[in-house]
Amino acid sequence: QVQLQESSPGLVQPSATLSLTCAVSGASFSGDSWWTWVRQPPGKALEWIGDIHNDGRTNSNPSLMSRVTISVDKSKNQFSLSLTSVTAADTAVYFCATRVGRRPCWGQGTLVIVSS
Amino acid sequence: DIVMTQSPATLSVSPGERATLSCRASRSINNDLVWYQQKPGQVPRLLIYDASTRATGIPDRFTGSGSGTEFTLSISSLQSEDFAVYYCQQFHYWWAFGQGTRVEIK
Repeated sequence: QVQLQESSPGLVQPSATLSLTCAVSGASFSGDSWWTWVRQPPGKALEWIGDIHNDGRTNSNPSLMSRVTISVDKSKNQFSLSLTSVTAADTAVYFCATRVGRRPCWGQGTLVIVSS
Repeated sequence: DIVMTQSPATLSVSPGERATLSCRASRSINNDLVWYQQKPGQVPRLLIYDASTRATGIPDRFTGSGSGTEFTLSISSLQSEDFAVYYCQQFHYWWAFGQGTRVEIK
């Protein structure tokens, strides 16, 4: 059973870099899998941020592309999100996710607040 | 990229009545679509995958249909626990979510 768990950075300063990791259990970074980040601002819809394949290929939402970096650390069985130059508009619950067969699998989410 | 459009934004339904939610993709996604239910403070709960397959433990009052660009989620007889926000999502090209349909008590 695949389980995902996001780290909890909590509060991030405006203009700083938001960094999150997602610890993966029950799966390894091999084969044809994509590892995904999604976010949801308070009271708003879900938004796809981007993803990374086991072979290192990445995709990012065009609206965020210039600020997003997604990476994998196979030795720690985790993947990471870096979002630069954050503003209050980046305040959201951030989820990591993947697809297991034909079904999505989500972490519990972590609230990140951008504020001084 | 693919844009997902859900309608209506809000649906007011009485308990026991049927609810029909729509989701349209800006281009064909075959059947690579899922539906979620989300309540405040909770992770989206998977209801339907592959456009029409109920996820484990989902009651049969939830039915998904459609393929290509037009999809529907029907809830045959609304229970109190079904009042929530529903999202569609495509996996065909990257990920993309609809804006959600809020199902509220009439």
